[in-house]
Amino acid sequence: KAGVTQTPRYLIKTRGQQVTLSCSPISGHRSVSWYQQTPGQGLQFLFEYFSETQRNKGNFPGRFSGRQFSNSRSEMNVSTLELGDSALYLCASSKIAGSSYNEQFFGPGTRLTVL
Amino acid sequence: QKEVEQNSGPLSVPEGAIASLNCTYSDRVSQSFFWYRQYSGKSPELIMSIYSNGDKEDGRFTAQLNKASQYVSLLIRDSQPSDSATYLCAVKGVKTSYDKVIFGPGTSLSVIP
Repeated sequence: KAGVTQTPRYLIKTRGQQVTLSCSPISGHRSVSWYQQTPGQGLQFLFEYFSETQRNKGNFPGRFSGRQFSNSRSEMNVSTLELGDSALYLCASSKIAGSSYNEQFFGPGTRLTVL
Repeated sequence: QKEVEQNSGPLSVPEGAIASLNCTYSDRVSQSFFWYRQYSGKSPELIMSIYSNGDKEDGRFTAQLNKASQYVSLLIRDSQPSDSATYLCAVKGVKTSYDKVIFGPGTSLSVIP
């Protein structure tokens, strides 16, 4: 079974630009969560989508947004990029949402550098 | 108090020894606990999940959970140089049906040949 895929793997942008990252979950998985990982802050939750609906949101500004499509693929968008947005953005898929017994599997990540 | 804390590293153990990684969490109603391994430059990889008090073994890995003490640990027996990585503890609560998973800061493990 193919794992979680994320595109692009690497991205370089300049301040003020916007960026869209894509995530395809494991086949049969319907929940997608997004995380930001930086050396200083560690792994921080951005949001979770299930059945095309945002189910949970972390403490990030409104510049960070996402959506999920009917095939469970998800995209996240960051507008008006800031230097501090440079990070590894990770997508994790799980079978469902709303269950405590729900293992998440991570994709390879997108490394975003903002210049 | 941070929601999920892990023992500060880096942790160095000789090859063949037992590595012990610890994690404490603040939300008493948390029910799901996960250990991930992350190699440098790679994404986290799920090693173990544990939901009930006690021990859960999988190969050289043993996860231990004590909900009363709000403590979860990961033991790696017969440590190998390939175990050198950062280990992330993750906790999921049940305050709402869609509670998010909170990750600890990670403990860096180095297994010395």
